[in-house]
Amino acid sequence: RKEVEQDPGPFNVPEGATVAFNCTYSNSASQSFFWYRQDCRKEPKLLMSVYSSGNEDGRFTAQLNRASQYISLLIRDSKLSDSATYLCVVTTSGTYKYIFGTGTRLKVLA
Amino acid sequence: DGGITQSPKYLFRKEGQNVTLSCEQNLNHDAMYWYRQDPGQGLRLIYYSQIVNDFQKGDIAEGYSVSREKKESFPLTVTSAQKNPTAFYLCASSSRDRGPYEQYFGPGTRLTVT
Repeated sequence: RKEVEQDPGPFNVPEGATVAFNCTYSNSASQSFFWYRQDCRKEPKLLMSVYSSGNEDGRFTAQLNRASQYISLLIRDSKLSDSATYLCVVTTSGTYKYIFGTGTRLKVLA
Repeated sequence: DGGITQSPKYLFRKEGQNVTLSCEQNLNHDAMYWYRQDPGQGLRLIYYSQIVNDFQKGDIAEGYSVSREKKESFPLTVTSAQKNPTAFYLCASSSRDRGPYEQYFGPGTRLTVT
């Protein structure tokens, strides 16, 4: 089983739609959680950290469910510019390694 | 502006040649990392360094070498021993002072070996 798993997609959604991605992790000692966005042929860019209580940044909401070992990303009112690959990243307590999921591809259609 | 720079953006080499990829950061981060990304694949960790003069192998270190002589710099050498060196190489850094320790990436170097 992979340490971090994501549905590769693509998720094709119309502009204005709400879309949600999940990411599951296998190590219950995982400590920090992040969502990154990666555009084609570019570097990953931090979208948001995920806190235990959940957090929101504009149209983006991230949540953590430790009991079921998954994190989620909700995007409301999708824009064409949201089209990208979204990477889930997990770190484990006591290590300095970041474990990346392979990403979920989102296409927002006009 | 604080950030991470990588150079060059594109690099072409002949098989059998060693090549060194540059990574510099002015974020005052202690930890630095090198990743490789192949088309349609996730990031794989090559080497990481938590502090100057110290570094550890990641998951795919064979055929690569690094040094960390300065806090700001973490160059990666792709040696001729690396069997499939053509890839997108990404350098990253993170603070170790306080959580949640977000990682920040440079723009990457695309290496093509023929």
